[in-house]
Amino acid sequence: GAVVSQHPSWVICKSGTSVKIECRSLDFQATTMFWYRQFPKQSLMLMATSNEGSKATYEQGVEKDKFLINHASLTLSTLTVTSAHPEDSSFYICSARDLSGGGPLETQYFGPGTRLLVL
Amino acid sequence: GQQVMQIPQYQHVQEGEDFTTYCNSSTTLSNIQWYKQRPGGHPVFLIQLVKSGEVKKQKRLTFQFGEAKKNSSLHITATQTTDVGTYFCAGRGGTSYGKLTFGQGTILTVHP
Repeated sequence: GAVVSQHPSWVICKSGTSVKIECRSLDFQATTMFWYRQFPKQSLMLMATSNEGSKATYEQGVEKDKFLINHASLTLSTLTVTSAHPEDSSFYICSARDLSGGGPLETQYFGPGTRLLVL
Repeated sequence: GQQVMQIPQYQHVQEGEDFTTYCNSSTTLSNIQWYKQRPGGHPVFLIQLVKSGEVKKQKRLTFQFGEAKKNSSLHITATQTTDVGTYFCAGRGGTSYGKLTFGQGTILTVHP
């Protein structure tokens, strides 16, 4: 199946710093990528939908100025957590939709996730 | 907005026993997907159901989509220790290109 990578897999930072997370589709082009956040033993919460070449669509309650999303190419989307605080510590997962016909229609392939710890 | 409820939250079974998790949406879905997330891992796509009343099987796993396209179930026959993980359903409502709404997940533990 399609492969989605994320970098970094782990990041520890000080409160107030910004952290950038990259999501790449390795063997397919993704016009749409999704960013989720998952707290321990909880479900995935969609944060935003990232569309190549246009502004991201944020879910209700997600601050777009705090979680900056850039989808500059068909294989790369980035999520920047600005001025991170301890409550932003979470597991951030991206997914990309492969519409090329190589797999089930509209399947979302998930990246391995990035664990963020803000001290 | 669309809500997807999943039960049970936890399920502990003895190896060899069957397991079922249920998913219920507040709105009619265009399709529903099931994912498995191993401890410390990321969700992995299992299957997608699109048609009303659809039933699909993958070895010991049986997936059903309700006639009203508002509920779904995943049944595992004769569980194995490799089945351990969290099983999520995710519903897509409205147009087929709508966002996925995930259920809370069912954490399955299997005792050998």
